[in-house]
Amino acid sequence: EAGVAQSPRYKIIEKRQSVAFWCNPISGHATLYWYQQILGQGPKLLIQFQNNGVVDDSQLPKDRFSAERLKGVDSTLKIQPAKLEDSAVYLCASSLLGAETQYFGPGTRLLVL
Amino acid sequence: KQEVTQIPAALSVPEGENLVLNCSFTDSAIYNLQWFRQDPGKGLTSLLLIQSSQREQTSGRLNASLDKSSGRSTLYIAASQPGDSATYLCAASSSNYQLIWGAGTKLIIKP
Repeated sequence: EAGVAQSPRYKIIEKRQSVAFWCNPISGHATLYWYQQILGQGPKLLIQFQNNGVVDDSQLPKDRFSAERLKGVDSTLKIQPAKLEDSAVYLCASSLLGAETQYFGPGTRLLVL
Repeated sequence: KQEVTQIPAALSVPEGENLVLNCSFTDSAIYNLQWFRQDPGKGLTSLLLIQSSQREQTSGRLNASLDKSSGRSTLYIAASQPGDSATYLCAASSSNYQLIWGAGTKLIIKP
């Protein structure tokens, strides 16, 4: 069974630029999560989707971050414009509907200069 | 608001030793408590999941315990090996399965 795929793996941009991350969850997983993990901290949930609907985006900085999962499968997370403090690893995870176990992708490491 | 704390932030032990990693949480109304492993450049891998009604779970050389009344969980690693070197994170789950994470303990096993 293929795992959660994310791309790109690394991205370096300058502040005020835009960036997008892509996630393809495990086939059949209805729930998809985006996390932000700053160095030395645990992951922080940014947004949770169930199929193509948003379950929770209370910690998503909506003035600059956006995410979509149009067909209920893969998802994109966008930052526009990026700030220095957005430097972090962005993790995508998926799970079966109503399941406790989340499966994580390798993450995208973002450096904003 | 649930807060999860892991102490120490880093730990270095010689190969072969048994060790314990600690996790504490402020709200005992958790659904489950999970332990994850994170290797550099890789995602998070689930190690053990303890339901709120359970006291412990075991997998190979790993044993995780849960004491809801005191707001604590421990991860015991027996006979540590260099391959166990990684960052270990615990996460408390609420009833909607959302995870509140600790900052992790970076473990180094010296050969």
